Amino acid sequence: DGGITQSPKYLFRKEGQNVTLSCEQNLNHDAMYWYRQDPGQGLRLIYYSQIVNDFQKGDIAEGYSVSREKKESFPLTVTSAQKNPTAFYLCASTPYQGMNTGELFFGEGSRLTVL
Amino acid sequence: GNSVTQMEGPVTLSEEAFLTINCTYTATGYPSLFWYVQYPGEGLQLLLKATKADDKGSNKGFEATYRKETTSFHLEKGSVQVSDSAVYFCALGTLPGTASKLTFGTGTRLQVTL
Repeated sequence: DGGITQSPKYLFRKEGQNVTLSCEQNLNHDAMYWYRQDPGQGLRLIYYSQIVNDFQKGDIAEGYSVSREKKESFPLTVTSAQKNPTAFYLCASTPYQGMNTGELFFGEGSRLTVL
Repeated sequence: GNSVTQMEGPVTLSEEAFLTINCTYTATGYPSLFWYVQYPGEGLQLLLKATKADDKGSNKGFEATYRKETTSFHLEKGSVQVSDSAVYFCALGTLPGTASKLTFGTGTRLQVTL
Protein backbone atom coordinates (compact mmCIF):
# COMPACT_ATOMS: atom_id res chain seq x y z
CA ASP A 1 0.00 0.00 0.00
CA GLY A 2 1.13 3.55 -0.68
CA GLY A 3 1.95 5.73 2.24
CA ILE A 4 4.48 7.57 4.36
CA THR A 5 6.73 5.68 6.75
CA GLN A 6 8.45 7.40 9.63
CA SER A 7 11.07 5.78 11.81
CA PRO A 8 11.78 5.30 14.58
CA LYS A 9 8.41 5.70 16.28
CA TYR A 10 10.08 6.48 19.61
CA LEU A 11 13.57 7.85 20.14
CA PHE A 12 15.52 8.86 23.19
CA ARG A 13 18.61 11.00 23.05
CA LYS A 14 21.02 12.53 25.47
CA GLU A 15 21.60 16.25 25.48
CA GLY A 16 24.29 17.31 23.01
CA GLN A 17 23.66 14.49 20.55
CA ASN A 18 22.39 14.85 17.02
CA VAL A 19 19.63 12.52 15.92
CA THR A 20 18.14 11.81 12.49
CA LEU A 21 14.49 10.97 11.88
CA SER A 22 13.64 9.05 8.75
CA CYS A 23 10.74 9.76 6.39
CA GLU A 24 10.07 7.68 3.28
CA GLN A 25 7.09 7.89 0.91
CA ASN A 26 6.01 5.70 -2.00
CA LEU A 27 3.19 7.95 -3.17
CA ASN A 28 5.28 9.53 -5.93
CA HIS A 29 4.65 12.91 -4.31
CA ASP A 30 6.93 15.79 -5.20
CA ALA A 31 6.68 17.89 -2.05
CA MET A 32 7.56 16.79 1.48
CA TYR A 33 7.31 18.53 4.83
CA TRP A 34 8.40 18.28 8.45
CA TYR A 35 6.15 19.56 11.23
CA ARG A 36 6.70 19.70 14.94
CA GLN A 37 3.80 19.18 17.34
CA ASP A 38 3.82 20.37 20.94
CA PRO A 39 0.90 20.16 23.37
CA GLY A 40 -1.44 23.12 22.99
CA GLN A 41 0.52 24.63 20.10
CA GLY A 42 -0.75 22.75 17.09
CA LEU A 43 1.64 22.00 14.26
CA ARG A 44 4.54 24.21 13.25
CA LEU A 45 6.43 23.88 9.97
CA ILE A 46 10.15 23.13 10.25
CA TYR A 47 11.29 22.57 6.65
CA TYR A 48 9.74 21.70 3.33
CA SER A 49 10.97 20.54 -0.04
CA GLN A 50 9.22 20.91 -3.38
CA ILE A 51 11.73 19.02 -5.52
CA VAL A 52 14.83 16.90 -5.15
CA ASN A 53 17.96 18.75 -4.03
CA ASP A 54 15.97 21.79 -2.94
CA PHE A 55 14.37 22.72 0.37
CA GLN A 56 13.19 25.80 2.26
CA LYS A 57 13.03 26.81 5.89
CA GLY A 58 9.68 26.87 7.59
CA ASP A 59 8.70 28.84 10.65
CA ILE A 60 10.97 27.12 13.19
CA ALA A 61 14.02 25.83 11.27
CA GLU A 62 16.68 26.81 13.81
CA GLY A 63 18.49 23.77 15.22
CA TYR A 64 17.27 21.46 12.44
CA SER A 65 18.68 20.34 9.10
CA VAL A 66 17.29 18.32 6.19
CA SER A 67 18.35 16.81 2.90
CA ARG A 68 16.42 15.73 -0.19
CA GLU A 69 18.71 13.54 -2.27
CA LYS A 70 15.90 11.27 -3.46
CA LYS A 71 12.27 11.99 -4.24
CA GLU A 72 11.13 9.32 -1.80
CA SER A 73 13.17 10.40 1.20
CA PHE A 74 13.31 13.52 3.38
CA PRO A 75 15.29 12.88 6.60
CA LEU A 76 15.31 15.41 9.43
CA THR A 77 18.32 15.90 11.70
CA VAL A 78 17.70 17.41 15.11
CA THR A 79 21.00 18.96 16.09
CA SER A 80 22.43 19.77 19.49
CA ALA A 81 21.69 23.43 18.70
CA GLN A 82 17.96 22.81 19.06
CA LYS A 83 17.23 24.08 22.55
CA ASN A 84 14.02 22.19 23.22
CA PRO A 85 13.91 19.14 20.97
CA THR A 86 11.48 16.97 22.94
CA ALA A 87 8.37 16.83 20.73
CA PHE A 88 6.30 14.79 18.31
CA TYR A 89 7.59 15.11 14.74
CA LEU A 90 5.35 14.60 11.74
CA CYS A 91 6.39 14.12 8.14
CA ALA A 92 3.94 14.85 5.32
CA SER A 93 3.80 14.96 1.54
CA THR A 94 1.67 16.31 -1.29
CA PRO A 95 1.56 15.97 -5.04
CA TYR A 96 2.92 19.11 -6.59
CA GLN A 97 2.14 19.95 -10.14
CA GLY A 98 -1.23 19.22 -11.54
CA MET A 99 -2.73 17.29 -8.65
CA ASN A 100 -2.16 19.54 -5.70
CA THR A 101 -5.42 19.95 -3.81
CA GLY A 102 -3.80 21.37 -0.72
CA GLU A 103 -4.28 18.12 1.20
CA LEU A 104 -1.32 16.87 3.23
CA PHE A 105 -0.70 13.16 3.66
CA PHE A 106 0.89 12.43 7.03
CA GLY A 107 3.06 9.71 8.45
CA GLU A 108 2.37 8.32 11.91
CA GLY A 109 4.99 10.45 13.59
CA SER A 110 8.17 10.05 15.64
CA ARG A 111 8.30 10.96 19.31
CA LEU A 112 11.68 12.30 20.40
CA THR A 113 12.54 12.59 24.07
CA VAL A 114 15.73 14.22 25.30
CA LEU A 115 16.95 12.79 28.58
CA GLY B 1 -0.31 36.56 7.38
CA ASN B 2 -2.60 33.57 7.63
CA SER B 3 -3.93 32.36 10.95
CA VAL B 4 -6.49 29.92 12.33
CA THR B 5 -8.27 30.17 15.66
CA GLN B 6 -10.02 27.20 17.21
CA MET B 7 -12.03 26.87 20.36
CA GLU B 8 -10.00 25.56 23.24
CA GLY B 9 -10.68 22.13 24.58
CA PRO B 10 -11.09 19.69 25.90
CA VAL B 11 -14.66 19.19 24.80
CA THR B 12 -16.39 16.43 26.74
CA LEU B 13 -19.68 15.03 25.44
CA SER B 14 -21.88 12.07 26.08
CA GLU B 15 -22.40 9.60 23.28
CA GLU B 16 -25.09 10.72 20.79
CA ALA B 17 -24.70 14.39 21.74
CA PHE B 18 -24.40 17.14 19.12
CA LEU B 19 -20.91 18.43 18.42
CA THR B 20 -19.73 21.84 17.31
CA ILE B 21 -16.08 22.86 17.20
CA ASN B 22 -15.62 26.48 16.18
CA CYS B 23 -12.95 27.58 13.73
CA THR B 24 -12.32 31.06 12.34
CA TYR B 25 -9.56 32.18 10.05
CA THR B 26 -7.65 35.14 8.70
CA ALA B 27 -6.19 34.87 5.24
CA THR B 28 -5.31 36.80 2.15
CA GLY B 29 -6.89 35.67 -1.07
CA TYR B 30 -9.15 32.64 -1.23
CA PRO B 31 -7.75 29.78 0.81
CA SER B 32 -8.94 26.21 1.00
CA LEU B 33 -10.09 25.02 4.41
CA PHE B 34 -9.55 21.65 6.05
CA TRP B 35 -10.40 19.65 9.13
CA TYR B 36 -7.86 17.02 10.17
CA VAL B 37 -8.29 14.42 12.91
CA GLN B 38 -5.56 12.86 15.05
CA TYR B 39 -6.23 9.69 16.99
CA PRO B 40 -3.97 8.94 19.99
CA GLY B 41 -0.37 8.19 19.03
CA GLU B 42 -0.98 8.64 15.31
CA GLY B 43 -0.41 11.17 12.57
CA LEU B 44 -3.11 13.42 11.17
CA GLN B 45 -5.75 12.29 8.71
CA LEU B 46 -7.83 14.52 6.49
CA LEU B 47 -11.44 14.50 7.69
CA LEU B 48 -13.01 16.92 5.22
CA LYS B 49 -12.26 19.97 3.12
CA ALA B 50 -13.83 22.87 1.22
CA THR B 51 -12.12 24.79 -1.52
CA LYS B 52 -14.43 27.78 -2.07
CA ALA B 53 -17.04 29.88 -0.32
CA ASP B 54 -20.34 28.16 0.54
CA ASP B 55 -18.88 24.71 -0.14
CA LYS B 56 -19.81 22.09 2.42
CA GLY B 57 -17.32 19.37 3.22
CA SER B 58 -18.61 16.15 4.75
CA ASN B 59 -17.28 12.78 5.83
CA LYS B 60 -18.19 10.12 8.42
CA GLY B 61 -21.15 12.19 9.63
CA PHE B 62 -19.05 15.32 10.14
CA GLU B 63 -19.83 18.51 8.21
CA ALA B 64 -18.35 21.97 7.84
CA THR B 65 -19.40 24.89 5.62
CA TYR B 66 -16.96 27.46 4.25
CA ARG B 67 -18.46 30.83 5.31
CA LYS B 68 -16.57 33.69 3.71
CA GLU B 69 -18.76 36.40 5.27
CA THR B 70 -17.95 35.23 8.79
CA THR B 71 -14.52 33.73 7.93
CA SER B 72 -15.55 30.52 9.64
CA PHE B 73 -15.42 26.77 9.07
CA HIS B 74 -17.13 25.23 12.10
CA LEU B 75 -17.11 21.44 12.45
CA GLU B 76 -20.41 19.73 13.35
CA LYS B 77 -21.71 16.23 13.93
CA GLY B 78 -25.23 15.36 14.88
CA SER B 79 -24.51 12.34 17.07
CA VAL B 80 -21.00 11.62 18.33
CA GLN B 81 -19.64 8.20 19.21
CA VAL B 82 -16.94 7.10 21.64
CA SER B 83 -14.78 6.30 18.61
CA ASP B 84 -14.82 10.00 17.65
CA SER B 85 -12.61 10.81 20.63
CA ALA B 86 -9.55 12.48 19.12
CA VAL B 87 -7.90 15.84 18.52
CA TYR B 88 -9.38 17.91 15.69
CA PHE B 89 -7.36 20.49 13.79
CA CYS B 90 -8.70 23.23 11.56
CA ALA B 91 -6.32 24.35 8.82
CA LEU B 92 -6.13 26.64 5.82
CA GLY B 93 -3.92 26.46 2.81
CA THR B 94 -2.94 28.29 -0.31
CA LEU B 95 -2.65 26.35 -3.49
CA PRO B 96 -0.60 25.90 -6.66
CA GLY B 97 1.91 26.84 -7.94
CA THR B 98 3.63 26.65 -4.62
CA ALA B 99 3.83 23.77 -2.23
CA SER B 100 0.93 23.34 0.13
CA LYS B 101 1.94 25.13 3.28
CA LEU B 102 -0.95 24.65 5.61
CA THR B 103 -1.54 26.86 8.62
CA PHE B 104 -2.99 24.88 11.52
CA GLY B 105 -5.04 25.83 14.52
CA THR B 106 -3.94 24.63 17.95
CA GLY B 107 -6.29 21.65 17.93
CA THR B 108 -9.37 20.79 20.00
CA ARG B 109 -9.45 17.58 22.00
CA LEU B 110 -12.81 15.79 21.99
CA GLN B 111 -13.62 13.20 24.63
CA VAL B 112 -16.84 11.22 24.19
CA THR B 113 -18.12 9.16 27.11
CA LEU B 114 -20.80 6.49 27.39
